[in-house]
Formats: sequence, C-alpha cells, structure tokens
Amino acid sequence: SQQGEEDPQALSIQEGENATMNCSYKTSINNLQWYRQNSGRGLVHLILIRSNEREKHSGRLRVTLDTSKKSSSLLITASRAADTASYFCATLPFHNEKLTFGTGTRLTIIP
Amino acid sequence: GAVVSQHPSWVICKSGTSVKIECRSLDFQATTMFWYRQFPKQSLMLMATSNEGSKATYEQGVEKDKFLINHASLTLSTLTVTSAHPEDSSFYICSATGLGDNEQFFGPGTRLTVL
Repeated sequence: SQQGEEDPQALSIQEGENATMNCSYKTSINNLQWYRQNSGRGLVHLILIRSNEREKHSGRLRVTLDTSKKSSSLLITASRAADTASYFCATLPFHNEKLTFGTGTRLTIIP
Repeated sequence: GAVVSQHPSWVICKSGTSVKIECRSLDFQATTMFWYRQFPKQSLMLMATSNEGSKATYEQGVEKDKFLINHASLTLSTLTVTSAHPEDSSFYICSATGLGDNEQFFGPGTRLTVL
C-alpha cells in the first residue's frame, strides 16, 4: 500500500495547548495537503504545501514539509474545543491527479 | 469556493438491493471526479477515478461490476452499489477537480447502511 502513515493515531490535549501531528509518505510528491474531518462528516481542506516549500502558515495552522525525510507536520496553536476532529494528510504525486491519504490522527481537545 | 454536493446524505437498504449515490459540482465544471470509501475510524481509500464521457478507472481490488460509475456530464457523477451486502456499509465520499492546481473539492459524504 502506498498509504502514508500519521502519528500519533490519537491525541488528547487541554484547550489552549498546541497540537502537533506528523505525516510520513513513501513516494515523491507534487504537493501535500492537510484535511480536517469532523465525525461522520465530509472533508475540509486546511492547507496545501508544495514540494518546493518548507513551511506554510494559515491562521493558527503551521505546516512544515521535509522532502528529504518524506515527512510533514501540522501544528495547531492555541487549540480550541472546535478543533476536535480527525486530521488527514494527503499527497499528490507529479503527473497524477490521485490523492493518497494518510491514516489520520484523531485529535480531542479537552475544554 | 467550489461546492460539491452528494445525495443522499444517508441511506439504509436491504441486502441485495442497489443504491445510487449522486455527486454534483454546483458552481464549476468538474473534469474529473473521484469516489472514495471510508470505513469507521479509517482513512479514505480511493475506489475509482471518473472522467466525463469516458469509462471510470478503478483501483486495484475494486469490483467495477459491483460499483458502477457514470459520469454523464461535467457536473454529475453517480455511483451505484449493485446488489449491496452488509460489508458494503460504509461512508462514500466523492470529490471533483476542474479549477486548476489539481485541487480536489470534497462532497459531504453519503453513509450507506445495508441491513
């Protein structure tokens, strides 16, 4: 399987703390994307980072990409109860439209 | 932003019946649509890629005769689960591209329960 791995599988933190999730993948990529999924719902696109970028910010989100290690991290700062969800990374290879999703991290923010 | 809808949002059916799920791009023309399946507490697995006016391309292990995909227009793709069985119970999600940058826009998903 080409599916990426995410760790941790589950993460529980207190509201206000920072949450970090990691994603590793196996093949060369065009870009890497992070998505959020609330329980039983569809996906929400959070951020896209291209293979020639190393870091990107969007609001309370910070994404890093290390193509030499084939890994990415998603940092959510000052977490809120509403951030409780599953988070997935997804990679897009070159010359291909198919996204490959990671295994996901279930994040729980404790009020 | 681009909006993709799915209908129905949930469906319960008896074993042996067929179920059709629709995926529509509401404000853009989708050159390609994708169908994913997600089992509880698992990730999304791509089932097939669908281009308007041509046959769908199925991922390895996905039965094309069981999961019929029709992409008749640039705004509509349908997935029909034929002769559904309880093991087909899952969350089915579609996505669509067509606005450049290969960004996929996801539908809200359809929860299928087969009794």
